[in-house]
Amino acid sequence: SQQGEEDPQALSIQEGENATMNCSYKTSINNLQWYRQNSGRGLVHLILIRSNEREKHSGRLRVTLDTSKKSSSLLITASRAADTASYFCATDAPRTDAGGTSYGKLTFGQGTILTVHP
Amino acid sequence: GAGVSQSPRYKVAKRGQDVALRCDPISGHVSLFWYQQALGQGPEFLTYFQNEAQLDKSGLPSDRFFAERPEGSVSTLKIQRTQQEDSAVYLCASSPGVVSDEQFFGPGTRLTVL
Repeated sequence: SQQGEEDPQALSIQEGENATMNCSYKTSINNLQWYRQNSGRGLVHLILIRSNEREKHSGRLRVTLDTSKKSSSLLITASRAADTASYFCATDAPRTDAGGTSYGKLTFGQGTILTVHP
Repeated sequence: GAGVSQSPRYKVAKRGQDVALRCDPISGHVSLFWYQQALGQGPEFLTYFQNEAQLDKSGLPSDRFFAERPEGSVSTLKIQRTQQEDSAVYLCASSPGVVSDEQFFGPGTRLTVL
């Protein structure tokens, strides 16, 4: 079953604009990760935010996490045509049989398809 | 190698055939994951290895699916008596340790069952 749900399903913007994608999830988490997938390729890790963090930056990426609302957002600033891809959030939930730790089994959402027009 | 590799990249099988998909993780990575990604969907967890031990196979859809990692490095996902609903991209990922962290994905194997 899908834990994370991304919103919107598709986003089309012009180069230079900002892109915001949202992710909602249902259960408690250890961390939330964002991945990018170019057509026909594997996933590339973008950023990991832990449950005790609220915001994280990496280059043009900004991720927020609101555990009270069980939601996260990914902001890509000053977008480029090369940012065109599918973006997935993935959650890692604590294991009830292991004192809350986890080896990293990820539950992915259905993704947001981002198109950046030159 | 520099990253996770998978072979073959594409596999076409007739319904009822057995297939074997290979994953070469990053050298030294302890954790190895298999995911299944249907068209237009996010990946779904299949199974997890910590070194050679298969610690979680809760995502395997049926007993036709079998995975192994006998020496704690290369892993093989085998699907017996393939069905059309097995058509998907099969992704392998590895990570260095045994706790949740960034996962490094291979390019995937696209399986088409006719």
